[in-house]
Amino acid sequence: QVQLQESGPGLVKPSETLSLTCTVSGGSISSFYWSWVRQPPGKGLEWIGYISYDGRTNYNPSLKSRVTISVDTSKSHFSLNLSSVTAADTAVYYCARIPDSSGHGWFDPWGQGTLVTVSS
Amino acid sequence: QSVLTQPPSASGTPGQRVTISCSGSTSNIGSNYVYWYQQLPGTAPKLLIYMNNQRPSGVPGRFSGSKSGTSASLAISGLRSEDEADYYCATWDDSPNGPVFGGGTKLTVL
Repeated sequence: QVQLQESGPGLVKPSETLSLTCTVSGGSISSFYWSWVRQPPGKGLEWIGYISYDGRTNYNPSLKSRVTISVDTSKSHFSLNLSSVTAADTAVYYCARIPDSSGHGWFDPWGQGTLVTVSS
Repeated sequence: QSVLTQPPSASGTPGQRVTISCSGSTSNIGSNYVYWYQQLPGTAPKLLIYMNNQRPSGVPGRFSGSKSGTSASLAISGLRSEDEADYYCATWDDSPNGPVFGGGTKLTVL
């Protein structure tokens, strides 16, 4: 079955760019949609954005000016860049698949999540 | 503040039936499917219900979902201690054209 694994630095300085990668295994990345969701400590879930296997993107309007999501099907991974980070961007970042042809569906499965702390 | 409104907490005793509500609007729940996720302490969310009332394989029949108008509910019957978790509803919102989540409900099994 499909499994997702996030990777990237756990500590990012304020004003810098947060970069994470999600590696997909056990299935093909060349279908459906692939998404990032974050969860600040002790708080709820926030959708960041998603990308289709062929590169179409949709971002949360509240983050759109700072977010870039890309996909590399040859390496079976997709990536998140979030620029100009502040302490408010400290969160557990999850990657997830949207197994739906429109991108409007549910998130399943999820990666285990990775905590990113923004601090100098 | 979340687009979808959930009670922050719910509780029940083993064996009881509990329901968790999720309220939205015509641009989200009113015109799209609702999904539910279970997040056990210290773990990633897990899909519990999709397309309003469908259970993925492996999810016990004790969990059920329903939707009416601009609201949805998750029901858990025969409550068990391992059901203690945070539960999130989610759906698509036509404006601003993306997925949205509820604020989450912390379920305590007394």
